[in-house]
Amino acid sequence: DAKTTQPPSMDCAEGRAANLPCNHSTISGNEYVYWYRQIHSQGPQYIIHGLKNNETNEMASLIITEDRKSSTLILPHATLRDTAVYYCIATDPQAAGNKLTFGGGTRVLVKP
Amino acid sequence: DADVTQTPRNRITKTGKRIMLECSQTKGHDRMYWYRQDPGLGLRLIYYSFDVKDINKGEISDGYSVSRQAQAKFSLSLESAIPNQTALYFCATRGTYNEQFFGPGTRLTVL
Repeated sequence: DAKTTQPPSMDCAEGRAANLPCNHSTISGNEYVYWYRQIHSQGPQYIIHGLKNNETNEMASLIITEDRKSSTLILPHATLRDTAVYYCIATDPQAAGNKLTFGGGTRVLVKP
Repeated sequence: DADVTQTPRNRITKTGKRIMLECSQTKGHDRMYWYRQDPGLGLRLIYYSFDVKDINKGEISDGYSVSRQAQAKFSLSLESAIPNQTALYFCATRGTYNEQFFGPGTRLTVL
């Protein structure tokens, strides 16, 4: 897995967009970028993934730079329930085992 | 209904007891995983299964065993529980691009 770097914490106002950055400067061509989040003591929740193109689903948008060395997860209208630790992972889906390794993540606090 | 379910959600047991944690999924995925998470630490892989006939050890399999009874069911057993196995246990399934879908977890306490 490529090393990822995320800010340790950030605050966001309820109703505003939350933009979560992630650096993965050593990402290889086969590695995808994945985002998960974990609300305290709950199971991690898959959010979105992408390879090169920007992606959007019902939860979030993922913007990947053209050189693929960084990405941004966008929560378009943050709610209090989005308070969680968000993890960015860069990994090859074909790698043996495919276990997930979470780094430190970004602790996001959504404030009223 | 949840796609990945785990039972029990909480369990307190004594040292030396055998216990089983169960996981069921309705996502139709072949690949399933068992992880444990300790306070302040990340996920550690215990076992994973690519299908009912393919079981693989993860990084911390000692003291654990698994059974893949069907595509939808993957059980984790602690043959003789010890206190340092106190942790949160998560089951997960894997989609096409290695996106993993987790159950709600089992909080296990070994006294």
